[in-house]
Amino acid sequence: AQSVTQLDSQVPVFEEAPVELRCNYSSSVSVYLFWYVQYPNQGLQLLLKYLSGSTLVESINGFEAEFNKSQTSFHLRKPSVHISDTAEYFCAVTHFSGGYQKVTFGTGTKLQVIP
Amino acid sequence: NAGVTQTPKFQVLKTGQSMTLQCAQDMNHEYMSWYRQDPGMGLRLIHYSVGAGITDQGEVPNGYNVSRSTTEDFPLRLLSAAPSQTSVYFCASSYSPWGRETQYFGPGTRLLVL
Repeated sequence: AQSVTQLDSQVPVFEEAPVELRCNYSSSVSVYLFWYVQYPNQGLQLLLKYLSGSTLVESINGFEAEFNKSQTSFHLRKPSVHISDTAEYFCAVTHFSGGYQKVTFGTGTKLQVIP
Repeated sequence: NAGVTQTPKFQVLKTGQSMTLQCAQDMNHEYMSWYRQDPGMGLRLIHYSVGAGITDQGEVPNGYNVSRSTTEDFPLRLLSAAPSQTSVYFCASSYSPWGRETQYFGPGTRLLVL
């Protein structure tokens, strides 16, 4: 069975400081990797995803994540956070099961940006 | 496009009551699913559908029923509510059942079972 581990449940960081949110997954087959963001009292929305090709993927608001197959990791980074980045971030892995999509989500990391 | 819509936004039930959480999408997506979100547990899949008339169980299906009579709608029924079903419920859809697709989430329904 697939599993996704987000080691940090909460990450406090000062505004304009860098941040890394960690995500590790277990899989013996090829996977697709996603980061979703959930702002307070809202549903999840896609931040970025890795399907194939370049192992470094970027979002439009300055986040990036690097797929590391040997370490089975997909950590999310931002060099300088803003107050508006305060949210909960979910790592997700999808794999095929009988031809249909099966998504496994991590338990989430709450990013608290401190002014 | 309205995207994925869910009703109601909030609901309070008494133990044993039944209710239906509504979900609709206007993107002509094949794949729809229901998740529940609980603190420290992330999102857990309840049921999913790969097209009209086709549904299957997810990780935590007990106590819930679904049906998919149209492409647009995917209601979730609580048969006899229990306090353990207090949670935030999210409906999601994607263009196809294939693993590379982005899922689009509704705003959620916050359910309290007393």
